[in-house]
Amino acid sequence: AQRVTQPEKLLSVFKGAPVELKCNYSYSGSPELFWYVQYSRQRLQLLLRHISRESIKGFTADLNKGETSFHLKKPFAQEEDSAMYYCALSGGGGSQGNLIFGKGTKLSVKP
Amino acid sequence: KAGVTQTPRYLIKTRGQQVTLSCSPISGHRSVSWYQQTPGQGLQFLFEYFSETQRNKGNFPGRFSGRQFSNSRSEMNVSTLELGDSALYLCASSRGLAGGPGAQETQYFGPGTRLLVL
Repeated sequence: AQRVTQPEKLLSVFKGAPVELKCNYSYSGSPELFWYVQYSRQRLQLLLRHISRESIKGFTADLNKGETSFHLKKPFAQEEDSAMYYCALSGGGGSQGNLIFGKGTKLSVKP
Repeated sequence: KAGVTQTPRYLIKTRGQQVTLSCSPISGHRSVSWYQQTPGQGLQFLFEYFSETQRNKGNFPGRFSGRQFSNSRSEMNVSTLELGDSALYLCASSRGLAGGPGAQETQYFGPGTRLLVL
């Protein structure tokens, strides 16, 4: 079954510390993986996608097919990074709109 | 350009009633997907519509249905409401162009409709 697991409900770090939000997935085939973020009182929005291999707001994520992981990393956390982060997997099946989400990790960056 | 809009933003219903939620996608987007968000289950995919046709469906009972109009606006309906249907319902739009691997497009989410079933 297709599944996304985010083992941490809450991650608290101090400003300037490195951050790693974990994501593991289960998928038969070539996965398409994403990180979505929801800042306080804002809409859910795309942060980055593995296919583009880009860095957004200092965040990067590498797809590790051997470990079926797509962890989100940032070397130096900022207070404005505090938000809810969701890892998502494209459900495929010829659909563009079928995303399977993890349950999310709340990142709190303390001053 | 204007983002995805959802109406109403808040709704209170009682068990057994039915409810219709509306979603207007970003102009030019033809795909609309619906998700249910609850504290226990998180974000779960309901269904996706593209060009007035349901293209994919999640694992929800038949009480949950939807449709899409020729202007790409979409509605979802929940009949015979249950307490467990209380949730935030999100819709997301994209251009919806078909493609192979790597073609998954960015989903743009609306603010959601918060439904409370009493």
